[in-house]
Amino acid sequence: DADVTQTPRNRITKTGKRIMLECSQTKGHDRMYWYRQDPGLGLRLIYYSFDVKDINKGEISDGYSVSRQAQAKFSLSLESAIPNQTALYFCATSGRGGGHQETQYFGPGTRLLVL
Amino acid sequence: QKEVEQDPGPLSVPEGAIVSLNCTYSNSAFQYFMWYRQYSRKGPELLMYTYSSGNKEDGRFTAQVDKSSKYISLFIRDSQPSDSATYLCAMGAGGTSYGKLTFGQGTILTVHP
Repeated sequence: DADVTQTPRNRITKTGKRIMLECSQTKGHDRMYWYRQDPGLGLRLIYYSFDVKDINKGEISDGYSVSRQAQAKFSLSLESAIPNQTALYFCATSGRGGGHQETQYFGPGTRLLVL
Repeated sequence: QKEVEQDPGPLSVPEGAIVSLNCTYSNSAFQYFMWYRQYSRKGPELLMYTYSSGNKEDGRFTAQVDKSSKYISLFIRDSQPSDSATYLCAMGAGGTSYGKLTFGQGTILTVHP
């Protein structure tokens, strides 16, 4: 079973709709991250959480919100989706649960299309 | 200026070639250097991890870090079509921000038979 899972894997929505992307991990890591990936722009950090009570904005947090429901769960919401939020979204984890604590482990991604 | 600069390519080489991928950075606090490989429609996966300056070898892959020049490289020997992917460099400063990484744009590599 995958250590970092994301649901849904693909999503098509309409402008103005609220949607949630979910991430779960079984690595026992304390730190979780949300990125978006666009062609030519690489991975850009949206939000990150160093523990359940610690949420921080990344470089492109406008239009997004997050919730850390438990150590293993970190959700990303688009309050009112717009077409330029069409992208590939990745969740990642890091921590002292094994391996190098500096290393991030990624989920398989969610492909989002906003019409 | 971005903290981490990586030539996006694309890079196309014949099978068996030696591939050199590079990143430069501006933040002297970076101590941890990684290379991730990302296949099409997949999440990035860790390929190489290096702490501070020096070389690290793993099979056909060699990672080099030159902190004095703020420059890191990944070499792939005897490249194979299965190496075709996007390669992302990533760096971290550690300390209280451990695990928080800054990524390069990624270089798209194609190895053709």
